Amino acid sequence: EIVLTQSPGTLSLSPGERATLSCRASQSVSSSYLAWYQQKTGQAPRLLIYDASSRATGIPDRFSGSGSGTDFTLTISRLEPEDFAVYYCQQYGSSPITFGQGTRLEIK
Amino acid sequence: EVQLVESGGGLVQPGWSLSLSCAASGFTFDNYAIHWVRQAPGKGLEWVSGISWSSGTIGYADSVKGRFTISRDNAKNSLYLQMNSLRVEDTALYYCAKTYDSGRWGGMDVWGQGTTVTVSS
Repeated sequence: EIVLTQSPGTLSLSPGERATLSCRASQSVSSSYLAWYQQKTGQAPRLLIYDASSRATGIPDRFSGSGSGTDFTLTISRLEPEDFAVYYCQQYGSSPITFGQGTRLEIK
Repeated sequence: EVQLVESGGGLVQPGWSLSLSCAASGFTFDNYAIHWVRQAPGKGLEWVSGISWSSGTIGYADSVKGRFTISRDNAKNSLYLQMNSLRVEDTALYYCAKTYDSGRWGGMDVWGQGTTVTVSS
């Protein structure tokens, strides 16, 4: 099973700042089959990025994904108030599908 | 509108069984793999099980293998999860979610609102 470790656990930033979230895999993620999700309190997760770097439909271009192998990054170029939430990475290149433990992005 | 609606959750005692359903609409159901993902109260996301469009590929998390069974009925645009021998640690909000691409196993772009399963004596 591929273990995904997200860092930091909590990130405190201000609107307008740049956010960099990390997801490290215990072994290489096949074909960069890695996704990022945003989840707000009381809501279902929302797909942001798939295949490591492709933005899902309707996702603003301030969200970008990068990386390959075992190291992946989600970058939010300029934080908007609605971006403060919990973010999860997920790998789907190997069974079982696994999620990271999440990074909480909070307003500083 | 693309939609997934879960049902069947409830309060059960340890060792009991429960069956969840997920009704799909607004897309060609039999083109996509569909998954169950759960979230325990205050915790992160955990993949539970997934099934390919043809039911030819099925997977389970180790934590539920041998106790849960996933199935789908493409004629009814529905997904199911039969949960047996439930444990306290199965308590969670259970989501169904579809993959974003018919050729992919993961990456879920549409999620239901979830159905709550509580296992307690």
